[in-house]
Amino acid sequence: GNSVTQMEGPVTLSEEAFLTINCTYTATGYPSLFWYVQYPGEGLQLLLKATKADDKGSNKGFEATYRKETTSFHLEKGSVQVSDSAVYFCALSGGNNDMRFGAGTRLTVKP
Amino acid sequence: ETGVTQSPTHLIKTRGQQVTLRCSSQSGHNTVSWYQQALGQGPQFIFQYYREEENGRGNFPPRFSGLQFPNYSSELNVNALELDDSALYLCASSLAVVTSGGGKNIQYFGAGTRLSVL
Repeated sequence: GNSVTQMEGPVTLSEEAFLTINCTYTATGYPSLFWYVQYPGEGLQLLLKATKADDKGSNKGFEATYRKETTSFHLEKGSVQVSDSAVYFCALSGGNNDMRFGAGTRLTVKP
Repeated sequence: ETGVTQSPTHLIKTRGQQVTLRCSSQSGHNTVSWYQQALGQGPQFIFQYYREEENGRGNFPPRFSGLQFPNYSSELNVNALELDDSALYLCASSLAVVTSGGGKNIQYFGAGTRLSVL
């Protein structure tokens, strides 16, 4: 079945550092890929998405490229801020529309 | 703000009891999905409702059941609560469009209901 594996945390960075959170997936067909962010005490917010190979999703300085050849969708940001501290989830949606999530990566950014 | 609202925000029940959680979809959405998120883990898919019919189910026992109403709001019912049912329950709404290769609809999440079973 479909599944997502993402880099386990926690990840602690200093402000303005470069961020990479790795995500790889297993799926049949052509899934859509997503990154969601969850702030403390809140639900999930869509951060970015990509629906086909080589698509790049981007939002708020975050980027991820759908790499079919490596089955990956790594999240990157060039310069993180304290306000980026949250838990990040990689997810995929297959033909039956149910979403599969990774276990989440907790990011803490220190000033 | 996603327009998806869940109630209640917090709930405490005892083992063996029954619980009903509610979700109002974003306006214009016809599909609701429910997820269970245990502490420190990613959300796990429970089931999805499309136009009032169950449209997919994850690996959850039958004591987890649901409803979707004509206005596309939804309920999640859990019978015979167990301690391991303690979790954040998330509802997500989306607009399902029937196209080839599906899976492209974005799901918008509510803030969740935190259920504690004692």
